[in-house]
Amino acid sequence: DAMVIQNPRYQVTQFGKPVTLSCSQTLNHNVMYWYQQKSSQAPKLLFHYYDKDFNNEADTPDNFQSRRPNTSFCFLDIRSPGLGDAAMYLCATSRTTGEGARLHEQYFGPGTRLTVT
Amino acid sequence: SQQGEEDPQALSIQEGENATMNCSYKTSINNLQWYRQNSGRGLVHLILIRSNEREKHSGRLRVTLDTSKKSSSLLITASRAADTASYFCATDRRFTGNQFYFGTGTSLTVIP
Repeated sequence: DAMVIQNPRYQVTQFGKPVTLSCSQTLNHNVMYWYQQKSSQAPKLLFHYYDKDFNNEADTPDNFQSRRPNTSFCFLDIRSPGLGDAAMYLCATSRTTGEGARLHEQYFGPGTRLTVT
Repeated sequence: SQQGEEDPQALSIQEGENATMNCSYKTSINNLQWYRQNSGRGLVHLILIRSNEREKHSGRLRVTLDTSKKSSSLLITASRAADTASYFCATDRRFTGNQFYFGTGTSLTVIP
């Protein structure tokens, strides 16, 4: 089945130790997103890729970086995790079609729950 | 940043009753989506409605969109205990790219 896969599902890292979360998709979607979701809150958009073009949100801390080496894979790098970065990180994909680049629904992975000790 | 707010924040109903949740947003949109999230789990896509549509149905779900009021509603008919979850709306922003921003969410509890 076509899907969005996130690895690992649970990640524990130490304060200040860089960590990378990964996302892959078999949907061949051209848009990929990273969201941060803290307990009992809505998902917060960190950034997204439209094809190879990276689009950062204005309020995303510099501590968060992303890479998209190809269509299928996207990585979230947290350079120096703080205790406040403990959260669920959600990857999503979408596609655009047609001359007007019509945007379609997002598909989400199961998320990676990050714990910072 | 969040685009929308949902109302009510929490809703508790008896099984079999209908549940209505509302989403208001700030800027003009192309698309609005509704999602369900069970506690600690991923987001499940329910319905996408476009700005030129006024109503969509999917099974027991009915979504309406009023672009003049910048609001949408999600109606779940004949609710079941399994509908207990958080429900979020997510909107893009017209003319400014492919981002989807989530509203604050409604926590629905359906009592058996």
